Order: sequence, then structure tokens, then C-alpha cells
Amino acid sequence: QKEVEQNSGPLSVPEGAIASLNCTYSDRGSQSFFWYRQYSGKSPELIMSIYSNGDKEDGRFTAQLNKASQYVSLLIRDSQPSDSATYLCAVRGAGSYQLTFGKGTKLSVIP
Amino acid sequence: DAGITQSPRHKVTETGTPVTLRCHQTENHRYMYWYRQDPGHGLRLIHYSYGVKDTDKGEVSDGYSVSRSKTEDFLLTLESATSSQTSVYFCASSNLNNEQFFGPGTRLTVL
Repeated sequence: QKEVEQNSGPLSVPEGAIASLNCTYSDRGSQSFFWYRQYSGKSPELIMSIYSNGDKEDGRFTAQLNKASQYVSLLIRDSQPSDSATYLCAVRGAGSYQLTFGKGTKLSVIP
Repeated sequence: DAGITQSPRHKVTETGTPVTLRCHQTENHRYMYWYRQDPGHGLRLIHYSYGVKDTDKGEVSDGYSVSRSKTEDFLLTLESATSSQTSVYFCASSNLNNEQFFGPGTRLTVL
């Protein structure tokens, strides 16, 4: 059973701070890693994809991947109240077109 | 973003009745997916399709069937709805980078 684990939160950070969201996965052969943002009552929205070890930056978002430790993280710099949402980590296993999703971390940015 | 629509957006039905949910995408994506999302369980894959008339089961397929007669359309059918199938249903399709894009969701209530 492939598993993706996230701290459910809530994670509260003050406006302007860095929010750090973490995810671990069990399938060592996993190939692709994704972060989705989901506002309450809305559908998941893809915000970052990462496929190789290291960091990938896109605006205020940085995804970090460490395959040896089976760990992927998302940093949100200069957090804004509009970043308040649930963040889902998703992992694609080797030879699969399916994603396994974590249950999500709820982020609250306090003005 | 992929152009994905779902219909209906909301539905209330009674136990034992058949229900069909429709997903339509305009991105010519080969892969399409049906998920359900429930509190405490996160997103769980019901069925997926890897081409016209090619489908396979996901993690929670019991009580559900799917059909895909055209690239752009993926139907999910609850043969005889039960209260345990009350949920929010999301359709998704994926591009060549395995990034999945979600539709707006259908909120289904089975009384």
C-alpha cells in the first residue's frame, strides 16, 4: 500500500512569514511529485510539480525534493492571508499514471 | 489549466436509484480519473481511463462503474446509490507530464 503522509495541521503562520509544509512517501520508486492547493469548497489546484532532487522555485513557492529521505516539502515565502487553504501532496509511483494523495495540511495565515 | 467541466454540480438522490456523473475535458488528454473526497480520507481514486474504452479500477471502485466512449467524456455511474456514496466527486485529466487538473466537483447527497 503506497502511502503519502502529511501533518494535518492546522499550521498557523503570521502574514509575511515563511510557511513550511512537509510530506513523506513510502514508495521508494516514486517518480513525480506534486503540490496542490485547495480552498474550502473548491477543487484542488496544481501549484508545483517536481521531478528531480533539489529545489524548484516558482514565484513565492519553492518545492524541495529529497528522494533518498523520501521527503518533499513546499515553502511559501511572504505568506499572505490568501494562501490560507489546505495543501495536498501527491506522488506518482514508478510505472504508474495514478497519483496517491496525502490527506492535506491546513494552512492559516494570520494578518 | 485544463478545461474540465462536470455535471451536475449538485445532486440529491434517494437510496437505490442509479446516478450518472459526467466529466468533459477539452484538452485532448488521454488519461482521465474519478476521485471522491471525504473528511478524514482525503482524495481517493475510484476509476481511471487510459484511453477510449480503456478503464481500470482504483482504490474504492466497489459500487461504481465508468465508461469512456470519446476522448473528451468520462462518465461515472453509481448503479444503486447508497448513503455511503454521499461525497464530493472530482474528475481530473492529466497531461504528458502526469500533471493532473481537476474539474469543479459534484456534491452528491444520497438520502
